[in-house]
Amino acid sequence: DQQVKQNSPSLSVQEGRISILNCDYTNSMFDYFLWYKKYPAEGPTFLISISSIKDKNEDGRFTVFLNKSAKHLSLHIVPSQPGDSAVYFCAASVGAGNMLTFGGGTRLMVKP
Amino acid sequence: GAVVSQHPSWVICKSGTSVKIECRSLDFQATTMFWYRQFPKQSLMLMATSNEGSKATYEQGVEKDKFLINHASLTLSTLTVTSAHPEDSSFYICSARDAVTGGLYEQFFGPGTRLTVL
Repeated sequence: DQQVKQNSPSLSVQEGRISILNCDYTNSMFDYFLWYKKYPAEGPTFLISISSIKDKNEDGRFTVFLNKSAKHLSLHIVPSQPGDSAVYFCAASVGAGNMLTFGGGTRLMVKP
Repeated sequence: GAVVSQHPSWVICKSGTSVKIECRSLDFQATTMFWYRQFPKQSLMLMATSNEGSKATYEQGVEKDKFLINHASLTLSTLTVTSAHPEDSSFYICSARDAVTGGLYEQFFGPGTRLTVL
């Protein structure tokens, strides 16, 4: 049973446009959510996180939105840059800093 | 930012041998470290949670006698794959959580170790 799902395995976006990556979860106990960026053969790099007490968190070009009632979160990247091309994983935990459950990842390709 | 290193980054071994992978937090103390495994084109799967000075907690389906985890200090955790077999070939990634009270809660990941068992 996949508790965290990223239903889009890939996404292609033109440079300068907005990239929207989506993530759904089923475990209502999750209260801390994170997005990671990953290149092949490298460890994930932390991008942004959000606690369940918030519905939005912004950091530069990255914004994460959380809809608790829908058990859905999304990552917006504006404007998208070719260097953003990577696999993006959303992750969730019960309590900040605890074990992470990862989604399957979405490969983002930003075309120049 | 917090840096986590792993050594080795890449290892090839013969079937039946044991391989040790080190995970170090370089500029912070980590009371808790996590070990993940990633198969090709799949997501990261948590194997075990390692707490400094105590036994690791393994996820369901992970053989604790095969994947030995030791967290002897606040900056080092090791994963030993014992009697490795080709099906153990995978990408192993550790992460560490900053233990400072009121500090960051995000896990910081190491660069990963590619294990290939022949």
